[in-house]
Amino acid sequence: EAGVAQSPRYKIIEKRQSVAFWCNPISGHATLYWYQQILGQGPKLLIQFQNNGVVDDSQLPKDRFSAERLKGVDSTLKIQPAKLEDSAVYLCASSRDRNTEAFFGQGTRLTVV
Amino acid sequence: AQTVTQSQPEMSVQEAETVTLSCTYDTSESDYYLFWYKQPPSRQMILVIRQEAYKQQNATENRFSVNFQKAAKSFSLKISDSQLGDAAMYFCAYTNYGGSQGNLIFGKGTKLSVKP
Repeated sequence: EAGVAQSPRYKIIEKRQSVAFWCNPISGHATLYWYQQILGQGPKLLIQFQNNGVVDDSQLPKDRFSAERLKGVDSTLKIQPAKLEDSAVYLCASSRDRNTEAFFGQGTRLTVV
Repeated sequence: AQTVTQSQPEMSVQEAETVTLSCTYDTSESDYYLFWYKQPPSRQMILVIRQEAYKQQNATENRFSVNFQKAAKSFSLKISDSQLGDAAMYFCAYTNYGGSQGNLIFGKGTKLSVKP
């Protein structure tokens, strides 16, 4: 069974530019999560989808971050415009449903200069 | 709000020996899940072990076991017979029972080094 796929693995952008990350969850997984992991800290949940609907986006900075999962499969997370403090690893995870274990991808390391 | 605290930024263990990583948490809920995740340099978070708060028996997975003290809100991870492949960041995590098991609150992590 293929795992959670994320791309790109690394991204370097200048502040005020925009960037997008892509996540393809494990086949059949209805629940999808995006996390932000700043260096030296644990991951923090940004948004949770159930199929193509948002379950929890309480910690998503909505003035600059957006995420979608239009067909209930893959998802994109966008930052526009980026700030220096957005430098982090962005992790995607998926689970079969809300009550089962979440599996994580290898993340995208974003550096904003 | 729930919080998770890991007070050991770094730990070191000799290969084949035992090490214990500490975690405390704060919650007003009576039912919840606790987890330990491993994050190697590849960055992928891997579930090591899970504990349901309503279960008194401590969870065990091969060389990994936990000491769950509900009243003290303590959840430590014991790694027995440490192997070089155990070297990684370890994160303690919490979620409410009835919530999503991927909707996690993480501690800051403990970096474990294993010496040959």
